[in-house]
This record gives sequence, C-alpha cells and structure tokens, in this order.
Amino acid sequence: DAGITQSPRYKITETGRQVTLMCHQTWSHSYMFWYRQDLGHGLRLIYYSAAADITDKGEVPDGYVVSRSKTENFPLTLESATRSQTSVYFCASSAFSSGILEDTQYFGPGTRLTVL
Amino acid sequence: GEDVEQSLFLSVREGDSSVINCTYTDSSSTYLYWYKQEPGAGLQLLTYIFSNMDMKQDQRLTVLLNKKDKHLSLRIADTQTGDSAIYFCAETPADYGGSQGNLIFGKGTKLSVKP
Repeated sequence: DAGITQSPRYKITETGRQVTLMCHQTWSHSYMFWYRQDLGHGLRLIYYSAAADITDKGEVPDGYVVSRSKTENFPLTLESATRSQTSVYFCASSAFSSGILEDTQYFGPGTRLTVL
Repeated sequence: GEDVEQSLFLSVREGDSSVINCTYTDSSSTYLYWYKQEPGAGLQLLTYIFSNMDMKQDQRLTVLLNKKDKHLSLRIADTQTGDSAIYFCAETPADYGGSQGNLIFGKGTKLSVKP
C-alpha cells in the first residue's frame, strides 16, 4: 500500500532490552523523521535523515540509534530501553524542497511503546 | 529557546465556531501549518498558509496570520463532534540549527465538542 507505515503498532518490552521500531514509506521522500509524543511535551524530534546514509540528531537523541541504508526505510533502535522511553513514536517523511509545499510532513500511524 | 505556544484545551458546543490560537517563534518561517490528530492516529495535515498571506479560507476552516505578532489562528465554523481532536500548529524556521525541512510543533490544543 502507498503511504507511510510503522511496525509494530504496539510493543511492550522490559528495561535493558533492545527494541527496533520500523518505518517504511513508498513515496521516495528524501527526508524522514522520528518523533516521540508525550503528555505535556507535544512532539519532540529524536532523529531525522535528509537522504540515505545521512542522519542527524534532533532535540532528544540520547538512548536512540537510527540508520538509513535505503531511502524508503528509517528504523529507530532503542539500544537499552528505559522506562523514560515509554512513549508514542511517530515516523514522518517529507519531500522537502526549500520553501515549497512539499516540505510538509506526512506521518505514520505511530507505535505505542511501553517499557516495564 | 522559544517554543511554539498553544493553549492546551478548548471546549465548544456543536454548531459553534472554534478558534485555536498559536504563537510561533520565527518571523521568517516560510509556511505555517495546522495538523489534526484524532485519537490513536498520527498527525494529518489540515491546512497551511504561506507567510506572505494574511488569511486563507478552506470550506469551514479559516486561517489567520499576523506576522507582526507572530500569531496564527485556526477558526472552525459550525464545529461538529467529528472535529474533536488535538490540533497542532507548526512552523518551518528558516534556520533551525541548520536542519532544514524540520517542523517545530506546538504542544497541541485538545478540542472537545459537546453535543
């Protein structure tokens, strides 16, 4: 299906475990983003990627790792999950072209992660 | 640094108009956006306004932009129960630490529509 998908939609894990959240988009958008959404904080950018093999930190990158070997995929890994990483995670993509409408972001449905 | 600010809650009666306000940070932001998030879902682009416009109307939605005060508002006419959601304003600062393409979001306004 066309669009942006995330998997899993729900995940429960334990402190210290490694978890990978997947994000896949079919538009060949150059930019991809990972956000976390928490009550009282809104959306906070974790990492973003401008193209394959190019990634950069956002506002809250600590404890997370990303990679982008293919344009369409942007997995987010929690190397050693902590309770503070319990959140809803959203992936987004954007065609971004400076100053043009295409720089709007399209969001996936989210992954609800609980760390026990 | 400065935040994109929104009030957290708004409650209206069905059929009334809703006005959601936002104060953004960068007067050179090219586009300003309103996103809608329904329960259990991701954000969806609702509407946007280009920075050289003062107003944009799209069916029941009216966006007003005051660049001098860096104030953005979203008016929903004839609000329906299906409009109940969280509404986020977002900007694209000209220079956000060099990370072009990023959006800066407000914390969201939860709109509750009562029958």
